[in-house]
Amino acid sequence: AQTVTQSQPEMSVQEAETVTLSCTYDTSESNYYLFWYKQPPSRQMILVIRQEAYKQQNATENRFSVNFQKAAKSFSLKISDSQLGDTAMYFCAFTSQGGSEKLVFGKGTKLTVNP
Amino acid sequence: DGGITQSPKYLFRKEGQNVTLSCEQNLNHDAMYWYRQDPGQGLRLIYYSQIVNDFQKGDIAEGYSVSREKKESFPLTVTSAQKNPTAFYLCASRGQRMNTEAFFGQGTRLTVV
Repeated sequence: AQTVTQSQPEMSVQEAETVTLSCTYDTSESNYYLFWYKQPPSRQMILVIRQEAYKQQNATENRFSVNFQKAAKSFSLKISDSQLGDTAMYFCAFTSQGGSEKLVFGKGTKLTVNP
Repeated sequence: DGGITQSPKYLFRKEGQNVTLSCEQNLNHDAMYWYRQDPGQGLRLIYYSQIVNDFQKGDIAEGYSVSREKKESFPLTVTSAQKNPTAFYLCASRGQRMNTEAFFGQGTRLTVV
């Protein structure tokens, strides 16, 4: 069974600084997708970034980038130039065709950006 | 506008009652999901469905039931067998391709009174 582990329940960062959130996963599949979702205080889930396992190049979306280490089964999220609006819960998620399209989430990291 | 709608936003249940949470999408998505969110537990999968008239149990299906009679709708019933139903429930839908993002409803907060 696929599992997703986020080892940092809470983190904080000063505005304009950089922070990295960790995620590891366990799977025997060779092709899969990884996602980071953001859940602000409104509780509306929003996709931040996605990465296909076959692509070696790390995905980037503006201030958000990932460090995907397939051999280590690691998928960390880096937020640069942190903004107050980045304060949210961040969830790492995994899906593969072998998992019958299940979408599995980690327990989340609560990020607080301080002014 | 396309989207996914959950209702009601808040729901109160008495002990021993069954309640049904509604989830409707007009995104033409095949896959739909129900998650339960508790503090410190992340999103735990209750049930999911990839096609009409078919669904699979997730990790915490006991005490819950679902139906998928229409592509657009995936209601979740919380039965009296669910001993600790107070939680935030999220519904999501996705397209068939593995790389498609999931779209989420705004959630239903269920409280047992």
